[in-house]
Amino acid sequence: DAGVIQSPRHEVTEMGQEVTLRCKPISGHDYLFWYRQTMMRGLELLIYFNNNVPIDDSGMPEDRFSAKMPNASFSTLKIQPSEPRDSAVYFCASRGGNTEAFFGQGTRLTVV
Amino acid sequence: GQQVMQIPQYQHVQEGEDFTTYCNSSTTLSNIQWYKQRPGGHPVFLIQLVKSGEVKKQKRLTFQFGEAKKNSSLHITATQTTDVGTYFCAGNNNDMRFGAGTRLTVKP
Repeated sequence: DAGVIQSPRHEVTEMGQEVTLRCKPISGHDYLFWYRQTMMRGLELLIYFNNNVPIDDSGMPEDRFSAKMPNASFSTLKIQPSEPRDSAVYFCASRGGNTEAFFGQGTRLTVV
Repeated sequence: GQQVMQIPQYQHVQEGEDFTTYCNSSTTLSNIQWYKQRPGGHPVFLIQLVKSGEVKKQKRLTFQFGEAKKNSSLHITATQTTDVGTYFCAGNNNDMRFGAGTRLTVKP
């Protein structure tokens, strides 16, 4: 398995534009997590899914953020409209049961 | 979800010195995991502790889980420059929330 795959690796966009981050979890994993990492706030849990169902989205900052998992092999995190304060590294991670989590390489988002 | 607090936030040591980071939770954890993130990289799993009072070792790294399953520690003996990075704990009650991390720098 190639591990957790995120795309794009880097994204630079203008304020107000829609941004879509993508994640392909490891096959067979039933948990998927989205995190945002900044120097100020550390590694924040935004939302997690179990068997494609969103379980806890209390970490999603505001209505501009949304996440979906239409099937077991794909998830998206969308920001619309984007703002400069959304600039961060966004990680996706997957896990099989209550075991170790595997992280993707991350997407570095810059909103100008 | 539960919150895990981690201290210290930063630690700078001379190569060869020991290093310890501590993780505390306000609630009992089913288990705790430790991860390491190298500069510019992504978090990588180190270990999972499940049992009350559990102690595990990985070469120079020693991990402990408290008797009440509310705290944990990671101790590195005789640090090396390859130990540089940020060490995170994560309480693992289905959700996986990380502590703020401890950033370790090692002076050769």
